[in-house]
Amino acid sequence: SQKIEQNSEALNIQEGKTATLTCNYTNYSPAYLQWYRQDPGRGPVFLLLIRENEKEKRKERLKVTFDTTLKQSLFHITASQPADSATYLCATASSGGGADGLTFGKGTHLIIQP
Amino acid sequence: ETGVTQSPTHLIKTRGQQVTLRCSSQSGHNTVSWYQQALGQGPQFIFQYYREEENGRGNFPPRFSGLQFPNYSSELNVNALELDDSALYLCASSFRDRVSGSPLHFGNGTRLTVT
Repeated sequence: SQKIEQNSEALNIQEGKTATLTCNYTNYSPAYLQWYRQDPGRGPVFLLLIRENEKEKRKERLKVTFDTTLKQSLFHITASQPADSATYLCATASSGGGADGLTFGKGTHLIIQP
Repeated sequence: ETGVTQSPTHLIKTRGQQVTLRCSSQSGHNTVSWYQQALGQGPQFIFQYYREEENGRGNFPPRFSGLQFPNYSSELNVNALELDDSALYLCASSFRDRVSGSPLHFGNGTRLTVT
């Protein structure tokens, strides 16, 4: 089954700078990767999906990349704001068929300092 | 459209007891899945229901069971509760079609504490 690794240590970024979060997968190359945001005491909220044949995806201040050679996805938040502070989760299908749900990383806790 | 709602929001049970958690899916979604999230961890897949049948299961014992109803609402039942079952239980709905990777829409979870 798939394994997702994220840096679970908190990431402190100055307001206005770009925050970059890393997601590494260790087994088979997934058909897609998804990114979610989770605030304390709340369920995850879907942000972006990138497929294996896409190098990059953008949505407003968010950008996701997918490098199948490095087995890695990068998640960028440009012009970061204190309201972007949250835990960000990376996920992909647990198996090729998709019926085994998503495998999530532990998440990276992002703190944007004013 | 209404989102995913879960009840109750918090629950305290004693080891050995049984618990039922409930979820109302987002309208138009035909698939519901349940996840367990321990403190400081990512969500872990328990099982998934599509058209009222379980069609995927994670590494959880049979004492974790579920139901999906015709209106796409769902239940998670846990028997013989153990202390390690203390976690946030998340319900997620999605629309399953021919394209894989449908985003999950999560509720805010039920915080279960087993003492």
